[in-house]
Amino acid sequence: ELKVEQNPLFLSMQEGKNYTIYCNYSTTSDRLYWYRQDPGKSLESLFVLLSNGAVKQEGRLMASLDTKARLSTLHITAAVHDLSATYFCAVAPRGSQGNLIFGKGTKLSVKP
Amino acid sequence: GAGVSQSPSNKVTEKGKDVELRCDPISGHTALYWYRQRLGQGLEFLIYFQGNSAPDKSGLPSDRFSAERTGESVSTLTIQRTQQEDSAVYLCASSFLVWDTQYFGPGTRLTVL
Repeated sequence: ELKVEQNPLFLSMQEGKNYTIYCNYSTTSDRLYWYRQDPGKSLESLFVLLSNGAVKQEGRLMASLDTKARLSTLHITAAVHDLSATYFCAVAPRGSQGNLIFGKGTKLSVKP
Repeated sequence: GAGVSQSPSNKVTEKGKDVELRCDPISGHTALYWYRQRLGQGLEFLIYFQGNSAPDKSGLPSDRFSAERTGESVSTLTIQRTQQEDSAVYLCASSFLVWDTQYFGPGTRLTVL
């Protein structure tokens, strides 16, 4: 069974600190997605990682992909309160029609 | 431009009733996906449409669930004889091509009493 596991599932951070969210997956995939979801809202696309070693950065967030280890990381630098949300990683298994398999999400709370 | 829209935003129904949820994808997007998100959980894939190809129904949890799409436009997800475990947020997403970024609608929150 295909699994996408995120950890931690809950993360409470102080503003200004750094932290990393991990996403492990159990099948071959060439595409990994990171989404953000605010409470009561839909999902917002953050990053699409398409190849081994891919790294993308937007503001205080940086995502990377290691397809050999089947691991993606989302690194948060100098967290601010506005980053508080739930972050999901999702994998498109090779050979699928693009339907995504999601992790359970990491609920991030950044406190002053 | 306009994003993915879904209606209704909220639906409360009684157990055993049928419900129909609607999704309007972004214009020009050929791929359309339905997902379900239970409280505090990630998203579960339900069904996928791509152009005029046969839909991928592999994620539908039971034969009470069905979906249709008219060409490359509107899609409806129908749940017959609703059960309490069907309570969830149903999210629709569309993408320009199969492997492109999926853009999600605001969802329909379904509550089955």
